Amino acid sequence: GAVVSQHPSWVICKSGTSVKIECRSLDFQATTMFWYRQFPKQSLMLMATSNEGSKATYEQGVEKDKFLINHASLTLSTLTVTSAHPEDSSFYICSASTAVWSTEAFFGQGTRLTVV
Amino acid sequence: SQKIEQNSEALNIQEGKTATLTCNYTNYSPAYLQWYRQDPGRGPVFLLLIRENEKEKRKERLKVTFDTTLKQSLFHITASQPADSATYLCALYFGNEKLTFGTGTRLTIIP
Repeated sequence: GAVVSQHPSWVICKSGTSVKIECRSLDFQATTMFWYRQFPKQSLMLMATSNEGSKATYEQGVEKDKFLINHASLTLSTLTVTSAHPEDSSFYICSASTAVWSTEAFFGQGTRLTVV
Repeated sequence: SQKIEQNSEALNIQEGKTATLTCNYTNYSPAYLQWYRQDPGRGPVFLLLIRENEKEKRKERLKVTFDTTLKQSLFHITASQPADSATYLCALYFGNEKLTFGTGTRLTIIP
């Protein structure tokens, strides 16, 4: 089956610094990648949709200047949390699909971000 | 706005029994509905997909039903095992490229 690898699986950073999270599709080309955030005991909340070679589409309420998304190739998307604050601490998960209308989403293992 | 509710935050079931989880939605019917399993500290794993014109789907010990009149999907795990303990998420696709997830039900199978 399709594999999506997310790195790192956990990271601790100081308040005010930036953190980059990578999402790679290992055995397929992902035309579309999605970034989610999940707080404890809550559901996945979509942050943004990124299509290879174009700008990401952000959901309402998500600051695009704070959460920088780059989808430079068909196998890699990155999420950079800039000037992180403790309230950005969360579980970040990416998913990838092979086409816009693909019915199955393949998820990475998630990244636990803790900002101290 | 669209609202998705999963019947309970937590559900405890005796091993060997059938676990039934519920996903209800309001307003528009999705083109299809999916169920995912999520273990603690991990990303969701796809289990089953059912389309709006399908009533039932099965995969091994899993069964999903979809009632567009009731705006409800039921997810059943038969002959439940402790290894089935996890959080189960329903996700709806409304044709706008995005999946909308429910809040999840944390299922515990008691030996």
